[in-house]
Amino acid sequence: GAGVSQTPSNKVTEKGKYVELRCDPISGHTALYWYRQSLGQGPEFLIYFQGTGAADDSGLPNDRFFAVRPEGSVSTLKIQRTERGDSAVYLCASSSSRQGNTEAFFGQGTRLTVV
Amino acid sequence: SQQGEEDPQALSIQEGENATMNCSYKTSINNLQWYRQNSGRGLVHLILIRSNEREKHSGRLRVTLDTSKKSSSLLITASRAADTASYFCATPHGGSQGNLIFGKGTKLSVKP
Repeated sequence: GAGVSQTPSNKVTEKGKYVELRCDPISGHTALYWYRQSLGQGPEFLIYFQGTGAADDSGLPNDRFFAVRPEGSVSTLKIQRTERGDSAVYLCASSSSRQGNTEAFFGQGTRLTVV
Repeated sequence: SQQGEEDPQALSIQEGENATMNCSYKTSINNLQWYRQNSGRGLVHLILIRSNEREKHSGRLRVTLDTSKKSSSLLITASRAADTASYFCATPHGGSQGNLIFGKGTKLSVKP
């Protein structure tokens, strides 16, 4: 596709449930990033992949959060035992090299609401 | 943690006026980027300025960088209602320099 695609665009789940959020990066982009954004705040870094491996997962808040990118393209962010505090917009971005050196392209995000 | 801090948090101007937003950061950087976000969803890259550059232009945007003060400014000239959005600065983080840390943003409102 032409841009970064995230699905679903909205997700409502009950507290304690498991959710998966998907990100399709721009074709050929080796770097992929997950952020989450709460209302009125800037995006908060979660994890960064270079190819299939997580180059930096220091932003994952706890072990309920996990992300994979098995073939170096599509990535899935997985949240176990969701809590109301997990409610936020989850943003995915990709870039052709290290994001710190070049432009990052963002998807439209998945708005997660935990009730 | 957030590296950059934008100032002001909110700015309201009339169409045609210039808008200036500032960003301060804490650690040494090799570049600083500005992004725009409409309606709390996807961010759009506006401009990247490297640490050896002092000023950069792109259309109606002018970005300055002062590494001695660890600050940057974004100027939008001749603003339009369509410029209404949140604007964020972002800087590379950590040893890998592989990801960006964003500030809290400036919410710009341009009234027609």
